[in-house]
Amino acid sequence: EAGVAQSPRYKIIEKRQSVAFWCNPISGHATLYWYQQILGQGPKLLIQFQNNGVVDDSQLPKDRFSAERLKGVDSTLKIQPAKLEDSAVYLCASSFDRYYGYTFGSGTRLTVV
Amino acid sequence: AQTVTQSQPEMSVQEAETVTLSCTYDTSESNYYLFWYKQPPSRQMILVIRQEAYKQQNATENRFSVNFQKAAKSFSLKISDSQLGDTAMYFCAFIGAASGSRLTFGEGTQLTVNP
Repeated sequence: EAGVAQSPRYKIIEKRQSVAFWCNPISGHATLYWYQQILGQGPKLLIQFQNNGVVDDSQLPKDRFSAERLKGVDSTLKIQPAKLEDSAVYLCASSFDRYYGYTFGSGTRLTVV
Repeated sequence: AQTVTQSQPEMSVQEAETVTLSCTYDTSESNYYLFWYKQPPSRQMILVIRQEAYKQQNATENRFSVNFQKAAKSFSLKISDSQLGDTAMYFCAFIGAASGSRLTFGEGTQLTVNP
């Protein structure tokens, strides 16, 4: 089966600019996750979707981060305006049954200068 | 809230030898699932092995096995016959069976396999 697709692979922006990341999960996976991984740390959940509804966004900085999942398939994560501390890898994952593990994409490395 | 702790930031092993990575966790739930993920430089997190808390038998996947000690809340990963391709960050992760539980990761252990 095709894996989780993410784009772009790399992005460099200046602080206060906006940026968007795209994710296409594995076909048939109802649950989609966005994780933020700061260098040297483990991934931290930003938001979880079940189909096109938000299940958990408790750790999403809502003043600058937003995410949507239209039609329960693709998802976009946006940051506006970006801060230096947003520099990280943004990982998208999907699952059919969360107790069997998630399938991750290759992530987007964001550098804010 | 659950926490996952990996106390070894870095480890190294010689090719063909065996290495064990440590992980402890804290939870009040009685039923849960534990995972080890591998993250090579390509950044993609790859599931290595999975353990269900209500199963006493330790999980094994080819050269990878775990030592699951539920009472001690310990979940270590043993890699036998280490290969150069095993060089990666390894993350321990936990998810509770309760509704609303999220997959929580440890800080990771960088494993280097030397030729």
